Amino acid sequence: EAGVAQSPRYKIIEKRQSVAFWCNPISGHATLYWYQQILGQGPKLLIQFQNNGVVDDSQLPKDRFSAERLKGVDSTLKIQPAKLEDSAVYLCASTHPLAGSSYNEQFFGPGTRLTVL
Amino acid sequence: AQSVTQLDSQVPVFEEAPVELRCNYSSSVSVYLFWYVQYPNQGLQLLLKYLSGSTLVESINGFEAEFNKSQTSFHLRKPSVHISDTAEYFCAASEGNQFYFGTGTSLTVIP
Repeated sequence: EAGVAQSPRYKIIEKRQSVAFWCNPISGHATLYWYQQILGQGPKLLIQFQNNGVVDDSQLPKDRFSAERLKGVDSTLKIQPAKLEDSAVYLCASTHPLAGSSYNEQFFGPGTRLTVL
Repeated sequence: AQSVTQLDSQVPVFEEAPVELRCNYSSSVSVYLFWYVQYPNQGLQLLLKYLSGSTLVESINGFEAEFNKSQTSFHLRKPSVHISDTAEYFCAASEGNQFYFGTGTSLTVIP
């Protein structure tokens, strides 16, 4: 079974530029998450999709961040314009619910390391 | 909402020595607990999880964690560490579809 795919793996941009990240979840996983992991911190949820609908985007800085999952499969996360403090690893994860359980196991992609200069 | 606390940001330990990485969570009626490991330049990998049943859970590479409801803890232990265990370890708690991560513990195994 293929894992969660993310691209690019690394990106370096200057502040005020725009950047986009791509994620392809595991086939059949309805729920997709984007996390921001700043160096020395744990992952912080940015946005959660259920199929192509947004479940939770309460911690997404909507003035500069946007995300979409138009066909309920792959997703893109965009930052426009980027700030220095956006330097972080952006992780994508997807979940598959276990039958008869309220538990959803998350599978993570390798992440995209963004450096804003 | 849940909160997860990892008190130790860095833990250096000599090879073949035992190690314990501490994790505490905020009390909840129903919570699932996890430990993830992150090797350099890689994504998070699930190490072990507690869903229900036996309070002691084990991973395939010798780690174990014990769910302690009275102390709201889920500490990770290994009796003898290897160089290859050097990594960042994250404790996480789940309620439904929501995941809450701790700030991580950097384990460095010293030869």
